Amino acid sequence: DVKVTQSSRYLVKRTGEKVFLECVQDMDHENMFWYRQDPGLGLRLIYFSYDVKMKEKGDIPEGYSVSREKKERFSLILESASTNQTSMYLCASSSFLDRGGNQPQHFGDGTRLSIL
Amino acid sequence: GQQLNQSPQSMFIQEGEDVSMNCTSSSIFNTWLWYKQDPGEGPVLLIALYKAGELTSNGRLTAQFGITRKDSFLNISASIPSDVGIYFCAGQSITSGTYKYIFGTGTRLKVLA
Repeated sequence: DVKVTQSSRYLVKRTGEKVFLECVQDMDHENMFWYRQDPGLGLRLIYFSYDVKMKEKGDIPEGYSVSREKKERFSLILESASTNQTSMYLCASSSFLDRGGNQPQHFGDGTRLSIL
Repeated sequence: GQQLNQSPQSMFIQEGEDVSMNCTSSSIFNTWLWYKQDPGEGPVLLIALYKAGELTSNGRLTAQFGITRKDSFLNISASIPSDVGIYFCAGQSITSGTYKYIFGTGTRLKVLA
């Protein structure tokens, strides 16, 4: 089974702090994604990466950055946390090689982040 | 970003009843996925569909890829209390880019024992 592990289930930080959310997958997947999930808004894509050191902006990248130094690890960084970044953050990964890039995404259990 | 139209938004049903939910899009999709999310957990993949007209089952769950390639349906037969959760559809279209999926806003299912 695919295993996507997010480093923290719950995290509380203060406004202005730099926050790191870590995600590791064990299936050698090429693609990794960061989403935030808010009531009534569904899943919104923040950033994704299709290879080591590669990244692309999703739909809501403002206030975030990412790092992918190793294939199995994808980090989300809140440069200066703000209260409107309080949310559930979900990491996902998928394989690209099979089915012409249409492999399903597999999710971690999420990090519930509160910014005070 | 683009969102799928998923309905119903929520539903209360009696244990043992069958459940139907669907997603529609203005874009043609080449892949449809259905996920379930329990409270405090990440979404778990239930069914993946890759061809128009495809009908796939996973236990009591059955999903179909619509012929028009703009919709998909998920049915749950003989519901049980552990079916409670939020069900999401996700689609991948040619215009969304190879790696990205578009997600529905979810159907919240509650089962009354």
